[in-house]
Amino acid sequence: EDQVTQSPEALRLQEGESSSLNCSYTVSGLRGLFWYRQDPGKGPEFLFTLYSAGEEKEKERLKATLTKKESFLHITAPKPEDSATYLCAVQATSTSGSRLTFGEGTQLTVNP
Amino acid sequence: KAGVTQTPRYLIKTRGQQVTLSCSPISGHRSVSWYQQTPGQGLQFLFEYFSETQRNKGNFPGRFSGRQFSNSRSEMNVSTLELGDSALYLCASSGGTASIDPLHFGNGTRLTVT
Repeated sequence: EDQVTQSPEALRLQEGESSSLNCSYTVSGLRGLFWYRQDPGKGPEFLFTLYSAGEEKEKERLKATLTKKESFLHITAPKPEDSATYLCAVQATSTSGSRLTFGEGTQLTVNP
Repeated sequence: KAGVTQTPRYLIKTRGQQVTLSCSPISGHRSVSWYQQTPGQGLQFLFEYFSETQRNKGNFPGRFSGRQFSNSRSEMNVSTLELGDSALYLCASSGGTASIDPLHFGNGTRLTVT
């Protein structure tokens, strides 16, 4: 069974204080790993797709990396507007269609 | 390009009733997936439809059902509501034909069962 574990559950940072969120996964074969951002009262917003170990993707203050067992979302010099819940999800090669298995998320708060 | 639209945004129902939720995907997207989000369980996959056919199904009881229309719009139905069905129901669409397409989510329908 595919599993995704995210840590920490919650993270509080000061503006400008860089940090990383972790996503550990167990899947029979990885087709892709996804990062999403979710704001209160809204649906998840797509950030990145990573396909293979060693891959990195960047968007503004966010950088996602992937190894064979985990992914990291690095947040550099965060701002209060980066406060949100960050979700990690995997899609297995054994899955037909678009089914994703999600972790429970990391709730990030960035204080000014 | 308009995003995924879900209606209604909020619903309050009584135990034993049934409910129908609606989802309009991004124009051109043929795959629609449904997820249930609760504080304790996170996002749980319900089912996926592609070209009016159910392509994938999660581990939910038969009270949960869905369908997709020829214009790719989708509905999900929950019959005989239970208190534990209170959740945020999210719909997501994707192109559905490439080997890996990111899902694009709507803002959900918040269902409260009393």
